[in-house]
Amino acid sequence: DVKVTQSSRYLVKRTGEKVFLECVQDMDHENMFWYRQDPGLGLRLIYFSYDVKMKEKGDIPEGYSVSREKKERFSLILESASTNQTSMYLCASTNGVHQPQHFGDGTRLSIL
Amino acid sequence: ILNVEQSPQSLHVQEGDSTNFTCSFPSSNFYALHWYRWETAKSPEALFVMTLNGDEKKKGRISATLNTKEGYSYLYIKGSQPEDSATYLCAFNNNNDMRFGAGTRLTVKP
Repeated sequence: DVKVTQSSRYLVKRTGEKVFLECVQDMDHENMFWYRQDPGLGLRLIYFSYDVKMKEKGDIPEGYSVSREKKERFSLILESASTNQTSMYLCASTNGVHQPQHFGDGTRLSIL
Repeated sequence: ILNVEQSPQSLHVQEGDSTNFTCSFPSSNFYALHWYRWETAKSPEALFVMTLNGDEKKKGRISATLNTKEGYSYLYIKGSQPEDSATYLCAFNNNNDMRFGAGTRLTVKP
């Protein structure tokens, strides 16, 4: 079974902090994604990557950056956390852009 | 941005009721339509991938249909059980991207 592991289930940070959310997958998937989920808005794509050192902006990239130094790891970075970035963050991976995505358990991030 | 709409936003049914909900998506450049089930405190899990107009998929009491020409898919649950309570997400694939709808949150009361 594919395993997508997010480093934290719950995280509390302060406004202005630099925040790192880590995601690791163990199935050698090329494609990795970061989403945020807010009530009534569903999953919104922040950034994605189709290869090592490659990144593409999703629909809501503002205030975020990503890093893909190794194939199995895709990091989401909040450069200077703000309260409107309080959300549930989900990482996903897939072996083809048209294949079902495999998700991590999510990180519930609170910015105070 | 691809527009994927799901309705209703939430749904409450009694145990034993059958129910259905809708996913609407752009009818151009269609490649695939995915359904996911997302239980509270768990990660979303893929239910179906549908690629052909007229496709019908079934897994136990859950089934889905697809109409790519008019841009909609229905998810049906027959004889709902409390363990069916979850958010059901659809995701639309065109040639390049996948985008999710906001989901339908189903609550099945015993």
